[in-house]
Amino acid sequence: EAQVTQNPRYLITVTGKKLTVTCSQNMNHEYMSWYRQDPGLGLRQIYYSMNVEVTDKGDVPEGYKVSRKEKRNFPLILESPSPNQTSLYFCASSRSTGVGSNIQYFGAGTRLSVL
Amino acid sequence: QKEVEQNSGPLSVPEGAIASLNCTYSDRGSQSFFWYRQYSGKSPELIMFIYSNGDKEDGRFTAQLNKASQYVSLLIRDSQPSDSATYLCAVERKDDKIIFGKGTRLHILP
Repeated sequence: EAQVTQNPRYLITVTGKKLTVTCSQNMNHEYMSWYRQDPGLGLRQIYYSMNVEVTDKGDVPEGYKVSRKEKRNFPLILESPSPNQTSLYFCASSRSTGVGSNIQYFGAGTRLSVL
Repeated sequence: QKEVEQNSGPLSVPEGAIASLNCTYSDRGSQSFFWYRQYSGKSPELIMFIYSNGDKEDGRFTAQLNKASQYVSLLIRDSQPSDSATYLCAVERKDDKIIFGKGTRLHILP
């Protein structure tokens, strides 16, 4: 089954304790993104990757890191989480970019609480 | 001006009626336009995408695009209670970035 898998689904942590949210897709997609979704602010892109070893900042990258060492995996790293990073996070992938290609397939989401 | 604007709603529509959802965007060079549906606590899922001016129909759903007016809409015919959700408009800019609107909450009244 074609899917984007995020783990964990729920995470409660404390300020400053490094964490990683994993994301994996089995569709051989080139393009992967991380979003956060907050009430009243909608979906905002954190980082994206056009292909292996190619990553770039989205609209809200501060406090986050990513890497793309393999095509299927795109982990999100919070080196020193803070309470303002409490949010619902989605990983997404798409086949490519350009007209008609950039359909985003989303993971189930990770609900993160930073105390 | 926000890049992608949607009325937040809630939009209440009687069951069986037509629901009309609207979206405007600011980047005139935008090339692809998407409608996603998101149930509460779930991830967004694609309903339709459109990239040419005019209408595109898929079952009960019709997407409409007017690039001159920078306007895209989604019509849902014969609305069902299961259509109650938040609908996200997304725009792919010329630089390939996807920008999402904040969504419109749709409530279908039984």
